[in-house]
Amino acid sequence: TQLLEQSPQFLSIQEGENLTVYCNSSSVFSSLQWYRQEPGEGPVLLVTVVTGGEVKKLKRLTFQFGDARKDSSLHITAAQPGDTGLYLCAGSPSSNDMRFGAGTRLTVKP
Amino acid sequence: ETGVTQTPRHLVMGMTNKKSLKCEQHLGHNAMYWYKQSAKKPLELMFVYSLEERVENNSVPSRFSPECPNSSHLFLHLHTLQPEDSALYLCASSQDFSGDSYEQYFGPGTRLTVT
Repeated sequence: TQLLEQSPQFLSIQEGENLTVYCNSSSVFSSLQWYRQEPGEGPVLLVTVVTGGEVKKLKRLTFQFGDARKDSSLHITAAQPGDTGLYLCAGSPSSNDMRFGAGTRLTVKP
Repeated sequence: ETGVTQTPRHLVMGMTNKKSLKCEQHLGHNAMYWYKQSAKKPLELMFVYSLEERVENNSVPSRFSPECPNSSHLFLHLHTLQPEDSALYLCASSQDFSGDSYEQYFGPGTRLTVT
C-alpha cells in the first residue's frame, strides 16, 4: 500500500469537460505538492498547499487541501489538450522523508 | 542555462559497463536529489544531498554511487547494472532539505536502458 493514493489512475476526457483527481492518505502531511509531468520530461511543480482547508487557484486549476491535511484534490475546469500529462501529488509525512503518489495520467482529446 | 539540467538525456549500457549521470542546478539551491521512475511505479527517492553532504540513502544497491562535489553538481555513477535498473533517472533540487516543505525542481531526466 502506498502512502499517497491517487485516483483515478487513468482519465481520458474530451476538451471542455471538467474533472477532479484525488490524492489520499491515512497520514497527516504538513504540506502537499502537486506536479505535472509530460512525456520525456521531469515533473513540474504546480502548487503547494499548506493549511488545512486551503484552496488555491491557478487559472483553470483549483487545488484543495483537506481539513485534516490527509488528502488533496485537483479540479480542472474546461480541460484543454495542453492539460494532458501525469499529475503527481507529493508530501513529507515526517522529517527527511519525501513521498510521491503513483499519479493520475490525464488525456484530453481535442 | 537555467533550472536543472541533466546529461545525457538517453543512455544505453551493457551490464558490465561503467557510466555516470550528471546533474547541474542553476537555482542556488542547497539540496539535490536522485529519483528513479519506472513504468507503473511511483517515483522512488534514491539519494538526498544537503549542503554537499548525503543525508538520505533509501536502501539503494551499491551499484549506484552518488557524488556531490559542490552544491550545484550531482553525479550518479553506475556500474554492473541489471536490466531491471532500466528507468528514467530524475535529478531535482530544492532550496533546503529541512522544515516541512520540499518544493522540488526537476531536470528532464536520463532515460537509461541496461542491455
